Amino acid sequence: DAGVIQSPRHEVTEMGQEVTLRCKPISGHNSLFWYRQTMMRGLELLIYFNNNVPIDDSGMPEDRFSAKMPNASFSTLKIQPSEPRDSAVYFCASSLSGRTDTQYFGPGTRLTVL
Amino acid sequence: AQKVTQAQTEISVVEKEDVTLDCVYETRDTTYYLFWYKQPPSGELVFLIRRNSFDEQNEISGRYSWNFQKSTSSFNFTITASQVVDSAVYFCAADQGAQKLVFGQGTRLTINP
Repeated sequence: DAGVIQSPRHEVTEMGQEVTLRCKPISGHNSLFWYRQTMMRGLELLIYFNNNVPIDDSGMPEDRFSAKMPNASFSTLKIQPSEPRDSAVYFCASSLSGRTDTQYFGPGTRLTVL
Repeated sequence: AQKVTQAQTEISVVEKEDVTLDCVYETRDTTYYLFWYKQPPSGELVFLIRRNSFDEQNEISGRYSWNFQKSTSSFNFTITASQVVDSAVYFCAADQGAQKLVFGQGTRLTINP
């Protein structure tokens, strides 16, 4: 079975540009998570969807960040406008049912904002 | 709020040595879940184990074993006869259900040939 799929794997952009990260969760999983990993702050949960509905977005840094899940097999994380401090690895994860179930992570997107 | 502490920032051992990675968690709930993940140099996060708070049995999977001690709020991970391929950053995490999955800061393990 395919795992969580993320694209792109690497993204380099200039400050002020819009960035869109994409995620396809494992088929049959009803929960999806976006995380950010930096050296300074480690792994942080940005947002959690359950059955395509955002349940907890308290980790979203500011209004420049938005996430959508239009259907069970696709989610996007958008940053507009991007800033150098957004440079990080962004992971998408999915679980069969809810937050306490095992989360399986995608390979991550390494974002560099110049 | 829950918190996970991995006091060992970096560990370096020689191949074939046994190594234990420590994890201490804080939680107020009686029901919670503990996890270990591995992040190899390639960057992905690989799930290793999930344990609920009601199951205190230790677990062994090949060269990996986990020791769960509720009395000391610890969930330590031991690699027996370490190999170079075990080199990675290992994360311990805890989840109380109503709150976010919280990760420790990770332990960077280097196995030298």
